[in-house]
Amino acid sequence: ELKVEQNPLFLSMQEGKNYTIYCNYSTTSDRLYWYRQDPGKSLESLFVLLSNGAVKQEGRLMASLDTKARLSTLHITAAVHDLSATYFCAVDIPDNTDKLIFGTGTRLQVFP
Amino acid sequence: KAGVTQTPRYLIKTRGQQVTLSCSPISGHRSVSWYQQTPGQGLQFLFEYFSETQRNKGNFPGRFSGRQFSNSRSEMNVSTLELGDSALYLCASSLDSGKDTQYFGPGTRLTVL
Repeated sequence: ELKVEQNPLFLSMQEGKNYTIYCNYSTTSDRLYWYRQDPGKSLESLFVLLSNGAVKQEGRLMASLDTKARLSTLHITAAVHDLSATYFCAVDIPDNTDKLIFGTGTRLQVFP
Repeated sequence: KAGVTQTPRYLIKTRGQQVTLSCSPISGHRSVSWYQQTPGQGLQFLFEYFSETQRNKGNFPGRFSGRQFSNSRSEMNVSTLELGDSALYLCASSLDSGKDTQYFGPGTRLTVL
């Protein structure tokens, strides 16, 4: 069964600092997603990574995918308070359905 | 374009009752998936519907069921509610199953007393 692990689970960081969230998964997958969730809210799609070596950037967030290592990273550059949220990676099982396996989530808190 | 909508947003039920949750996908989207989110188990896939057919099902008991209508709207039903069913139930839609990004609705917060 496909398993998705994220680390760290909790991340408290100072504004202006850089950090990386890691997402490891156990079997082959075609696509990997990153979502953001604010407290009490739904999931907001951030990135979809479709191939080995894919890199996408939006503002202070950059996501990459290494399918051979079964690893995706979400890098935060010069964090700001507005980035405080829980971040999930989700892996698409290659069975032509929409079933996603989610990681445990990383709760990010950015403080001044 | 309007996003995914879910009704009701909040629901309180007692053990043994049943509940029906509704999801309207983004216009033109034909695939609807349901997920359960709890603090202990995280986000877990319930089932997916595409063109009124269940395409995939997660590891949940038969008390959890769903359906999709010809207009792509979907409902999920939970019978004989248990305390452990308290969760945020999220619906997601995509254009085509297995090929496109899923967009999530605001969720229905179910509390079972």
